Amino acid sequence: KAGVTQTPRYLIKTRGQQVTLSCSPISGHRSVSWYQQTPGQGLQFLFEYFSETQRNKGNFPGRFSGRQFSNSRSEMNVSTLELGDSALYLCASSFRDRGLVDTGELFFGEGSRLTVL
Amino acid sequence: GENVEQHPSTLSVQEGDSAVIKCTYSDSASNYFPWYKQELGKGPQLIIDIRSNVGEKKDQRIAVTLNKTAKHFSLHITETQPEDSAVYFCAAQTPRQLTFGSGTQLTVLP
Repeated sequence: KAGVTQTPRYLIKTRGQQVTLSCSPISGHRSVSWYQQTPGQGLQFLFEYFSETQRNKGNFPGRFSGRQFSNSRSEMNVSTLELGDSALYLCASSFRDRGLVDTGELFFGEGSRLTVL
Repeated sequence: GENVEQHPSTLSVQEGDSAVIKCTYSDSASNYFPWYKQELGKGPQLIIDIRSNVGEKKDQRIAVTLNKTAKHFSLHITETQPEDSAVYFCAAQTPRQLTFGSGTQLTVLP
């Protein structure tokens, strides 16, 4: 069974540009979450999508957005990049169903490492 | 929102010794507490979890304890091995989201 696939794995952008990251979840998983990982800050929750709908959102500015397609693949976009956006962006999928209270096991991809110059 | 604090941020132990990582959380509505291990260059992977109706759970060399009254939970690794070297994250789940601690870099010295 294929794992969570994130593309691209590495990218370099300059301030002011925008970036789009892609995530393909494990087959059958309908929930996709995104996290930002920076040294010393751990994993900061960005948002969660379930069946093409954003279900939860973390405390990030509106420059961070996402979407989910009918095949559960998800993209996140960061506009007007700032130096502080340099981070590892992790996508995770889960079996979480509409009625479940907790996330259950998250299956993470290897991440997209973004460097903003 | 939920706040999860994790200590220590770095931990070095001799191979064969035990390692303990502690976390506290703030939201009494949290009811699910997983632990993830992240090896270099990889995404985090679930190693053990515990739900609020259980006080302790073991899986071979790893165990997790939960004290809901005090709002803290801990990861215990016994008989550490070099392959246990990694970053460990605790997390607490509320209905809205899963909140992670800031991570512990565990180094097992041969």
